[in-house]
Amino acid sequence: DIHMTQSPSTLSASVGDRVTITCRASQSVSSWLAWYQQKPGEAPKLLIYKASSLESGVPSRFSGSGSGTEFTLTISSLQPDDFATYYCQQYDNYWGTFGQGTKVEIK
Amino acid sequence: EVQLVESGGGLVQPGGSLRLSCSASGFTFSSYGMHWVRQAPGKGLEYVSAISSDGISTHYVDSVKGRFTISRDNFKNTLYLQMSSLRDEDTAVYYCVKAHLRYFVLFDLWGQGTLVTVSS
Repeated sequence: DIHMTQSPSTLSASVGDRVTITCRASQSVSSWLAWYQQKPGEAPKLLIYKASSLESGVPSRFSGSGSGTEFTLTISSLQPDDFATYYCQQYDNYWGTFGQGTKVEIK
Repeated sequence: EVQLVESGGGLVQPGGSLRLSCSASGFTFSSYGMHWVRQAPGKGLEYVSAISSDGISTHYVDSVKGRFTISRDNFKNTLYLQMSSLRDEDTAVYYCVKAHLRYFVLFDLWGQGTLVTVSS
């Protein structure tokens, strides 16, 4: 099984900050990497797929990069609506395993 | 409106059974693979089960194999998860999830979730 590890687990930041979350895969997943945002009490929402492609309707302050085993999600200027938990997910193999999540909190 | 609406969750005793349903609307249900993903209280996301668009191919995570059955009715635009021999560790919000047309394990639409609580 491919194991996904995110860092940090929790991140404290202020509105306007540039935020970066890292996701590492236990083996190469090429560019088959997605990022999801989940707000409390809500279902996850797809933000980015194929490592760097923005899902329709997602603000351009979100961006993704990386390939192989190391990936990043960047929020260029954190907005109040962005305080949430973010999950990476590989979809290179059948099981589509998720990272453990990164909670972005208000500093 | 494109949406997935789950139902059927609730409180069940260990060893009991429950059937979840997911009603799809706003897209051609029969063209897409579908999945169930769960989230235990305060925990992360766990992939549970998948079914191909035609319902012929199904897959399960090891922890539910032999206890859960995924199925679909493409005429009723509905996805199901029959759960039996439920355990405490099956307590979670269960999300019905639509696969991307091109990538079977990429999830581009999620339902609001239904809570399953296994407790005596």
